[in-house]
Amino acid sequence: DVKVTQSSRYLVKRTGEKVFLECVQDMDHENMFWYRQDPGLGLRLIYFSYDVKMKEKGDIPEGYSVSREKKERFSLILESASTNQTSMYLCASSLLQSSGANVLTFGAGSRLTVL
Amino acid sequence: GDSVTQMEGPVTLSEEAFLTINCTYTATGYPSLFWYVQYPGEGLQLLLKATKADDKGSNKGFEATYRKETTSFHLEKGSVQVSDSAVYFCALLSNTGFQKLVFGTGTRLLVSP
Repeated sequence: DVKVTQSSRYLVKRTGEKVFLECVQDMDHENMFWYRQDPGLGLRLIYFSYDVKMKEKGDIPEGYSVSREKKERFSLILESASTNQTSMYLCASSLLQSSGANVLTFGAGSRLTVL
Repeated sequence: GDSVTQMEGPVTLSEEAFLTINCTYTATGYPSLFWYVQYPGEGLQLLLKATKADDKGSNKGFEATYRKETTSFHLEKGSVQVSDSAVYFCALLSNTGFQKLVFGTGTRLLVSP
């Protein structure tokens, strides 16, 4: 069964810590995405990548960075975690298509709490 | 910029009731439209999609029709089940620039026996 795997389902970190969220997909997808999900705000795009070593800012990139060294892996990095980054983080991937019917496959999410 | 507006929840229904969750959008050009569903403790999964005006997406008894004239993509189901309890997200995919999804805020559906 093809899937997107987020290595940590639940994390608790302290303010100022560096946090790594890992995401791996086994579908050979070109595109990968990081969203955060907050009640009343829906999903907001943090960063995305359409190729290895390529990255693009989404709508809320401040306080985050990403790394894509291999096609299957896309990491989200919080350089210095803050309490307002407490959230559910969702990774997704998709094929590089121009047809307009691009479907995202999501991981189960990583719930991060920053104390 | 592109945006999606969904009705606020929660929507509370009894089993076998009719469901409508409203979704309207603002976008330049002709976006593709999607409904995603998130069951408790899981990530999002695609429920249905429509890529052009008047298309009807359908899956698992759910339907939505792409209405360009009203910029809407309302989700409907004739008879809901307890197992349909979840959060439903409407989303659009712009056909200009890089293809990234824009999501609505989500609508929680609670179905009681």
